[in-house]
This record gives sequence, structure tokens and C-alpha cells, in this order.
Amino acid sequence: DIVMTQSPLSLSVTPGEPASISCRSSQSLLHSNGYNYLDWYLQKPGQSPQLLIYLGSNRASGVPARFRGSGSGTHFTLTISRVEAEDVGIYYCMQALQTHTFGQGTKLEIK
Amino acid sequence: QVQLVQSGAEVKKPGSSVKVSCEASGGIFSNYGFSWVRQAPGQGLEWMGGIIPMVDTANYAQKFQARVTITADESTNTAYMELSGLRSEDTAIYYCASGSVYGSGTYSYDYWGQGTLVTVSS
Repeated sequence: DIVMTQSPLSLSVTPGEPASISCRSSQSLLHSNGYNYLDWYLQKPGQSPQLLIYLGSNRASGVPARFRGSGSGTHFTLTISRVEAEDVGIYYCMQALQTHTFGQGTKLEIK
Repeated sequence: QVQLVQSGAEVKKPGSSVKVSCEASGGIFSNYGFSWVRQAPGQGLEWMGGIIPMVDTANYAQKFQARVTITADESTNTAYMELSGLRSEDTAIYYCASGSVYGSGTYSYDYWGQGTLVTVSS
């Protein structure tokens, strides 16, 4: 199985400041078709997770432009350009190349 | 817009089995893949397995391979997850998650069910 490793595991950010989360995979997630099979999900407190970014860098429908996914191969980053209070929750990366695997999660809190 | 509605909470005895359903509406069932993801209390998300009804093939995480069966019924637009040999460590919220299948045969999770709490207790 592909192992996904996120860092940091927790993050405390002042509103309006940027934040970034790293996700590394034990194998390349770059398919021969040129797509990276890496998604980002956010689970807000008490809710089901929601899709933020798919195929490495594509924002899901309704996701604000302050969220950006980047990276390729085995290293990916989720960047929030200016954190807002509603962004609190746990962020997960997930590889969808083979049998799917989630990272451990990164908890984002507001200072 | 696809909606996923899961069956209700369950309380089970150790050693028994549980079967959770996930009914999809608002989309073409066979165009989607369905995965089951669980979350133990205070823990992260754990992928258990998934199925693409169009090809009627399920695959499973190695950890659950011997105990989980995932099926889909296109006549009722419903996916199922059955977990056997329940133990206390299986107490968790079980989510159904779905998305359109890419040409490569995999999918992201655009849609999530509300979650089903399964409690395993003697």
C-alpha cells in the first residue's frame, strides 16, 4: 500500500495569514496520463469530510480561490493564502492512484 | 447534485457482522465509484475499500481484506458495506463517499454520506 505522510500534524494560524500543509507519498502518484492522483479533503468539526482539491491542483466546485494545491510525483502542498475562521478543521491528503490511502490529517486552529 | 443517504446507527455484539447501506440519488449510479471510509473516535480517516458498479469489481485495503465485503445494487442505486468478525476496535463512524469515475478507473470523493455510527459492545 502507498503510505501518505502529512506535516505538520497541527497548525495554529492568525486570521489573514497564510498556511501550508505538506503531503508526501511513498510512491509517485503521477499517472502515465499526466495527472497526479492526489486529493485534499477538509473535515470541519462535527461534519462529514468535503473535497477541496482533486488531481493535485484542481479546486472542487464551490471551493474558495484562497485554497491552492500544488506538487507532483511524491510531494504535494496545500496552501491557504489567507486563513479565515471558517477554515478550521482537519485537512487530509488522499492518494487515489492505487487502493486509496489517507494521510494522518493536519489540524488547523485559529490563533 | 448527488446525495448519499446512509442507514442508521447500529449496536453490535463482538463477533457479529454489520451491513451499512448508502443510497445515491441525483446522478447516474453506474458512472460513479463508491468507497467506504471509517473514523474511529478521535482518529483520522481510514479507507476500507471501494467498488465501481459499472465494472462490478471491488477492491479492499489489505487490513480489511478478510472481513469486509462491498457490493452495489444498480436496481436500487445503493452501495453496501458488510464488516464481519466485529471487535470493539471497529467502533467508528462509517462514511460512504462517491465521485465520477475518471478514465483511468479511479475517482475522487465529491460526495459524502452523513456517516453511520457502529458501536461494538458486549
